[in-house]
Amino acid sequence: DIQMTQSPSSLSASVGDRVTITCRASQGIRNDLGWYQQKPGKAPKRLIYEASSLQSGVPSRFSGSGSGTEFTLTISSLQPEDFATYYCLQHNSYPRTFGQGTKVEIK
Amino acid sequence: EVQLLESGGSMVQPGGSLRLSCAAAGFSFSSQAMSWVRQPPGKGLEWVSSISGSGGTTNYADSVKGRFTISRDNSKNTLYLQMNSLRAEDTAVYYCAKEQWLGRDYYGMDVWGQGTTVTVSS
Repeated sequence: DIQMTQSPSSLSASVGDRVTITCRASQGIRNDLGWYQQKPGKAPKRLIYEASSLQSGVPSRFSGSGSGTEFTLTISSLQPEDFATYYCLQHNSYPRTFGQGTKVEIK
Repeated sequence: EVQLLESGGSMVQPGGSLRLSCAAAGFSFSSQAMSWVRQPPGKGLEWVSSISGSGGTTNYADSVKGRFTISRDNSKNTLYLQMNSLRAEDTAVYYCAKEQWLGRDYYGMDVWGQGTTVTVSS
């Protein structure tokens, strides 16, 4: 099974900050990775697919990069509505595996 | 607009059974693979199972293999998850998700339902 190690598990940041979240895969997954945002009591929402492609309707302050085993989600200027938990998900092979999640909190 | 609506969640005793449903609309259901993902209270996301558009190929997490069965009725645009021999650790919100295929290219789970809650407790 492919393990996805996501870091940090939580972070505190201020509105306007640049935020970076990382996922590392235990083996190469090409660019078969998505990033999801989840707010309390809500379903996850996809932000990025294929590691770096922006989902339609998602603000351009979100970006993804990486390939192989190391991936990054960046929020260029954190907005109040971005405080949430973020997950990566690999779909290179079964079983599909998620990162442990990163909770982005207000400083 | 793509819509997924789960139902069937409830409280059940350990060892019991439950069937979840996910009604789909707004896309060609039979053309897209579908998945179930769950989230225990206060914890992260866990993939449970996936099924191809035709229903001919299925995959399961080891934690549910032999106990859960994924299926679909393309005539009713509905996805199912039959859950047997339920355990306390199966307590979670269960989401159905559409898998995105464009031609021969696969892009992962793009749209999710709002979830249905399963509680396994005596």
